[in-house]
Amino acid sequence: GAVVSQHPSWVICKSGTSVKIECRSLDFQATTMFWYRQFPKQSLMLMATSNEGSKATYEQGVEKDKFLINHASLTLSTLTVTSAHPEDSSFYICSGRQANQPQHFGDGTRLSIL
Amino acid sequence: GQNIDQPTEMTATEGAIVQINCTYQTSGFNGLFWYQQHAGEAPTFLSYNVLDGLEEKGRFSSFLSRSKGYSYLLLKELQMKDSASYLCAVRGAAGNKLTFGGGTRVLVKP
Repeated sequence: GAVVSQHPSWVICKSGTSVKIECRSLDFQATTMFWYRQFPKQSLMLMATSNEGSKATYEQGVEKDKFLINHASLTLSTLTVTSAHPEDSSFYICSGRQANQPQHFGDGTRLSIL
Repeated sequence: GQNIDQPTEMTATEGAIVQINCTYQTSGFNGLFWYQQHAGEAPTFLSYNVLDGLEEKGRFSSFLSRSKGYSYLLLKELQMKDSASYLCAVRGAAGNKLTFGGGTRVLVKP
């Protein structure tokens, strides 16, 4: 149980493109979803927390107008990287959680901006 | 603020035991988690401690001492597939979010 599906797993696109990443909880209702970014050989850095039906809470230093998060239902959250640039290239991972249960992670999206 | 420390790297032999320590200083405490992450993949949940003591799950055990701000993950009967990064994460009292340590890269040698 507790499966989180994340798509796409790999994206390569040109600078200036907007990229949308989907995160779905398949067998549980994720009341809270988290979006992380991980650079090579570094740990996970939380970008934002979103509760279903509410605006996301962004961590300090994360631009909310650049990283648009939508959590319209208990099973789906999306992250849109707007006008992506090479410095946005990273491994983006979503995570879903129900009540006080452990967080379960999606498989991640490797984003490469050329 | 949150501060979580764990060693950067450890090497062990197949069949042996390895203990990964994690110390934390957080504003509030609402549970400590261990995750395994293979290179290029997302983390997978291993264990959760919220009360003091040892939690055992097959070859993996995790220990917590809240008064000392200390946890360890014990990996027994090491297998080559256990080569991965192991992440210690703490859920603080303020809200739901986890703060991750830098991860410990474990290399299992034959």
